[in-house]
Amino acid sequence: GENVEQHPSTLSVQEGDSAVIKCTYSDSASNYFPWYKQELGKRPQLIIDIRSNVGEKKDQRIAVTLNKTAKHFSLHITETQPEDSAVYFCAASRAAGNKLTFGGGTRVLVKP
Amino acid sequence: EAGVAQSPRYKIIEKRQSVAFWCNPISGHATLYWYQQILGQGPKLLIQFQNNGVVDDSQLPKDRFSAERLKGVDSTLKIQPAKLEDSAVYLCASSKGQNLGQPQHFGDGTRLSIL
Repeated sequence: GENVEQHPSTLSVQEGDSAVIKCTYSDSASNYFPWYKQELGKRPQLIIDIRSNVGEKKDQRIAVTLNKTAKHFSLHITETQPEDSAVYFCAASRAAGNKLTFGGGTRVLVKP
Repeated sequence: EAGVAQSPRYKIIEKRQSVAFWCNPISGHATLYWYQQILGQGPKLLIQFQNNGVVDDSQLPKDRFSAERLKGVDSTLKIQPAKLEDSAVYLCASSKGQNLGQPQHFGDGTRLSIL
């Protein structure tokens, strides 16, 4: 089955700096890659996703890149703000069934 | 649009007892998922329904866990008997369908503590 590895497990950045989280996946048939943000005690919330026919996608301060050949994808947050502090999860799925396999999560702390 | 509703939010039981969780998905969403999230880990899929049929239950411990979605809308997940390792947050999610890239929307979860 699919295996998703996520690094780093914790990330501390100064407000205004950039944060980068990287994920690798094992199943070459995976072609949908969402990112979720989870604040303490709350539900995971979809913040951005990318499909295999796209190499990069941006939404304001958030961007995701995908390298299908290397089987890795990354989340980039620019101009970080204290409200970006949370746990971020990457995930991967195949077209059929839409079952998501999640990475282990990255705890991001933005220091003011 | 109302989100995914789950109840209860918290549950504390002793090992070997039984417990049930309830989920009501977003209106019109055909696909419903139950995930288990152990503290410090990412969610792990337990079971996926498409309408009232099971699509994937390969990671559901069927000797103690069961789930149903009889009318293709709301769903219940049951654990009987509970073990200490079942302590986790149980998340329900829904999506419009199984097609590529249909985003999954999560509920707030039920935090289960086993004593």
